[in-house]
Formats: sequence, C-alpha cells, structure tokens
Amino acid sequence: QVQLVESGGGVVQPERSLRLSCAASGFTFSSYGMHWVRQAPGKGLEWVAVISFDGSNKNYADSVKGRFTISRDNSRNTLYLHMNSLRAEDTAVYYCAKSGSGYVYYSDYWGQGTLVTVSS
Amino acid sequence: DIQMTQSPSSLSASVGDRVTLTCRASQDIFNYLAWYQRKPGKVPELLIYAASTLQSGVPSRFSGSGSGTDFTLTISSLQPEDVATYYCQKYNSAPLTFGGGTKVEIK
Repeated sequence: QVQLVESGGGVVQPERSLRLSCAASGFTFSSYGMHWVRQAPGKGLEWVAVISFDGSNKNYADSVKGRFTISRDNSRNTLYLHMNSLRAEDTAVYYCAKSGSGYVYYSDYWGQGTLVTVSS
Repeated sequence: DIQMTQSPSSLSASVGDRVTLTCRASQDIFNYLAWYQRKPGKVPELLIYAASTLQSGVPSRFSGSGSGTDFTLTISSLQPEDVATYYCQKYNSAPLTFGGGTKVEIK
C-alpha cells in the first residue's frame, strides 16, 4: 500500500533554513508527480509546491516562491522541501502528497505530516 | 490566479439529512475539481476527482457535480462518521488552490 512518511520538522528561528523529507513506498515513485501541502494552526489547507515525476518541472505558491525549493531523488524514493528565509507565517504542519498523474493533478494519497514551528 | 470559494463555512445537520456543500471558482476550471475530507486528527482523504468521480472505497452517499465555475458535494444521508471539514481544490493548472473549507457537524 502507498506510504508517505515525512520527517525533518522542528522549531527553527526566523530567517533560518530547514529541509523536509518524504520517504515514499508502495508505488512507482518515479512515475508520479508529488506535492507539498501545509496547514497552519487554525487555518485551512494551503498548496505549497508540485514537482513532476522526473523533477524537470516545478511550480510554487506565491507565498513561498523564491524561498522554498521542491526536489526529488528517484533513486531513493524521496521527496524534499528546502525552506529558506523562514517566517512566522510558515509555521504549519507540512504534508507530502502523491499526485494522481505525472505532474499537476489532484492528490490521492497523503502522509501524516511534519510540524514546522518558526519562532525565536 | 483563480480563487476558490466554499460555502457555507460551517453547517450543522441531523443524522440522515441531505447535505449540500458548494465550491465556486473565480474562472472556468472545466471539471478539474477535487473534494477532500479532513476528519479531526486524521490526514485529508480524496473523496471525489474530476468533479464527479468517486474515489475507490468512498461511500456512495457522497456525490459531486458541476463544471465550469460552480460545483457541489452532496452527502445524501449524513452519518456520524461524516463529521469533518471538506475542502475543494482546483487542479487544471498551478497554483492548485484549495477552498477555505466547510466544517460539517452533527446537530
């Protein structure tokens, strides 16, 4: 069965960096696009970024463009989110999610999430 | 960018009631609309994609309709296990914007 396990969350100071990872199993990782989605405390879901199956195409929400980078290592079945210049408003649970196709599509499986807290 | 607006933001209904949730896109998104269910303490689950196609394993009391800019999610007979927040999402192109959600409670 599809499994997505995020890691790398924690408490980080404003303007610092953090890298999230998502280990995937139970499907052919290299055939599917992958998303990052977040949910801030008391808020709704916010789509963050998407990467195509081969890593050649990426797209970001305006709120993170220029600060966050999505990447993947298909040899390790792992998705990453590199977060730079973190702000208090980036505090959220971050979920990785499998796309239903090779790139931009709905998310058919979600991980359990990892909490990122940006605070001094 | 296309905005997604859900209404109502919350509702309370009795077990067995028919419940209708609405999602409106600010521009035509054809049928590139998904619905997710987020139960308390659980991760989001895909309910419906392509506006009206039920994801495998989702109970048949859930149904979706609409195209273009106006979409609905209907629960034909509300059950206690349906207490959740429901989100719509457009996926015709990036950004893949979510609606603000509708919280469904039992009266």
